[in-house]
Amino acid sequence: EVQLLESGGGLVQPGGSLRLSCTASGFTLSAYAMNWVRQAPGKGLEWVSVIDENGSAVYADSVRGRFSISRDNSKSTVYLQMNSLRADDTAVYYCAREGTPGTADYWGQGNLVTVSS
Amino acid sequence: DIVMTQTPLSSPVTLGQPASISCRSSQSLVHRDGNTYLSWLQQRPGQPPRLLIYKISNRFSGVPDRFSGSGAGTDFTLKISRVEAEDVGVYYCMQLTQFPYTFGQGTRLEIK
Repeated sequence: EVQLLESGGGLVQPGGSLRLSCTASGFTLSAYAMNWVRQAPGKGLEWVSVIDENGSAVYADSVRGRFSISRDNSKSTVYLQMNSLRADDTAVYYCAREGTPGTADYWGQGNLVTVSS
Repeated sequence: DIVMTQTPLSSPVTLGQPASISCRSSQSLVHRDGNTYLSWLQQRPGQPPRLLIYKISNRFSGVPDRFSGSGAGTDFTLKISRVEAEDVGVYYCMQLTQFPYTFGQGTRLEIK
């Protein structure tokens, strides 16, 4: 059974940093691209970043230069390093597997990041 | 960026009746590889999103056949043939043809 489990969220002050982890099970992480998607409280979904099987990354304009995605296939884990956090980064962050290319087929339960003083 | 526009934003439906949600993209979603990477997601209250339909009309594993997708180019539709209580939630279209991936605003399906 495919499972994705996010961790590392919490409360952080504006300007601070946080690293989210997404641990995969039930499939071989190295064979798939992985995405991060976020959802601000009461709002819709916003794509954040993707890392492909080769480690190439793409970012949304809103996070480029502040966030960094990486992966450690030996640990079946994808990371999202978030720096220079702002109040508008407050959201539940989901990781999602890109199964068939161009398809976000499995999603984690999400992890809340709150940026506030 | 490709803008995804859903209508309606709210859809009150009677149990057992059909429902339909439209999604329009600001440019064609046909990828250079010939595929159209348009998906539909369901988000039940308090739950993460769940994939229902991918590449316009393909039902994902375990999705009931009352859900169907159609469309081409820039216009797409999700249909539920007979709404059940468990279908309550917010439905999103999502394009994965071009970066950045983008979502529609969401359509809230509620029971009358």
